[in-house]
Amino acid sequence: KQEVTQIPAALSVPEGENLVLNCSFTDSAIYNLQWFRQDPGKGLTSLLLIQSSQREQTSGRLNASLDKSSGRSTLYIAASQPGDSATYLCAVRPPGGGSQGNLIFGKGTKLSVKP
Amino acid sequence: GAVVSQHPSWVICKSGTSVKIECRSLDFQATTMFWYRQFPKQSLMLMATSNEGSKATYEQGVEKDKFLINHASLTLSTLTVTSAHPEDSSFYICSAKGLNTGELFFGEGSRLTVL
Repeated sequence: KQEVTQIPAALSVPEGENLVLNCSFTDSAIYNLQWFRQDPGKGLTSLLLIQSSQREQTSGRLNASLDKSSGRSTLYIAASQPGDSATYLCAVRPPGGGSQGNLIFGKGTKLSVKP
Repeated sequence: GAVVSQHPSWVICKSGTSVKIECRSLDFQATTMFWYRQFPKQSLMLMATSNEGSKATYEQGVEKDKFLINHASLTLSTLTVTSAHPEDSSFYICSAKGLNTGELFFGEGSRLTVL
């Protein structure tokens, strides 16, 4: 059974610092991996989607990497800002058939960027 | 990006009553929508897959008769929590998959509190 783990559960950094969030998954057979941002009491905003054949994706100050063989992904945030404060969720999608919404989510890393 | 709207964003109801939550894709057609539930400090868990014009597919452990799902059009799915109890209090989030994309777009969630 696929399990997704995110470490650390919470992280506090000063503004301007570069940081890395980690995500690991137990089954390397995935269709894709997605990073989301969730603000308190809100839904999810998709940040980056990495297909299983890709190794990384970049969007602005965000860079996500995927090492499928080792079951790991990282989300790199450059020059962090207070507005980056949120919970970051990692989710993997199983390969092949079945529900396409059957994303397996980690519990998230709660990021706090101090001014 | 694509927009998915949920309504209401929060609702408080008495035990034993039923509550309906709507999920709309505003600028695209979604043949498939997904409903998730998130308890505090826990991962999102897929509850069911909603297919336009057909019966929803429920995940193991989710009661079909308690969580009624209707997907009557390509832009609207509804989740009705019937005879709600305090243990049903949770954050319910929907997502929608466009006709030709592997990426899901999420609504902002609906917080249900059952007294």
